[in-house]
Amino acid sequence: DTAVSQTPKYLVTQMGNDKSIKCEQNLGHDTMYWYKQDSKKFLKIMFSYNNKELIINETVPNRFSPKSPDKAHLNLHINSLELGDSAVYFCASSQDLGQGRSNEQFFGPGTRLTVL
Amino acid sequence: AQKITQTQPGMFVQEKEAVTLDCTYDTSDPSYGLFWYKQPSSGEMIFLIYQGSYDQQNATEGRYSLNFQKARKSANLVISASQLGDSAMYFCAMREGLRGANSKLTFGKGITLSVRP
Repeated sequence: DTAVSQTPKYLVTQMGNDKSIKCEQNLGHDTMYWYKQDSKKFLKIMFSYNNKELIINETVPNRFSPKSPDKAHLNLHINSLELGDSAVYFCASSQDLGQGRSNEQFFGPGTRLTVL
Repeated sequence: AQKITQTQPGMFVQEKEAVTLDCTYDTSDPSYGLFWYKQPSSGEMIFLIYQGSYDQQNATEGRYSLNFQKARKSANLVISASQLGDSAMYFCAMREGLRGANSKLTFGKGITLSVRP
């Protein structure tokens, strides 16, 4: 009964390739996110979608393109992979239950991307 | 300027003792939420505890409590009765605004906690 799932868990690829990471949540949440965790464990938001609409787009190279086919899915496509893209990518989701509630984000298990 | 500061490089605690992990934050938004997440060596991110800026009482969740000092802009995590399974990296995070939909989490650098038997 995985709440937020990501595939693949590990991805090893050559520089210049194009790859996708898929994310699905079965929590019925309306907002989904992508975060990047670098080699120093620093976590930074990349994108967020609310009901399939792009809400947050941080300073991310346009080689990264998120796609949300429906509320339960948010995929991340990366073109022309570079060495610096090597990181762990986390998908997360949350539901806005109103002011005063935690509305915490639930994270997927992460996808470890290694670019050679 | 960093919005979330976690300066302790690594912490050690004896099993069954309490430990405090420090977090200070910076925001001009009067409405915000503070979170702590745990990341064990297996890599997943586990939500531990939340404190809203207007909450009158410090948050508690089982062995976790949050020492919220608004004037000092600090939100320290206290883990009581440490267990070996508490060994992990701990992240403090902030959401500016109290609603979830249009807000992101800004994370600190994290603190590594090691529990000694």
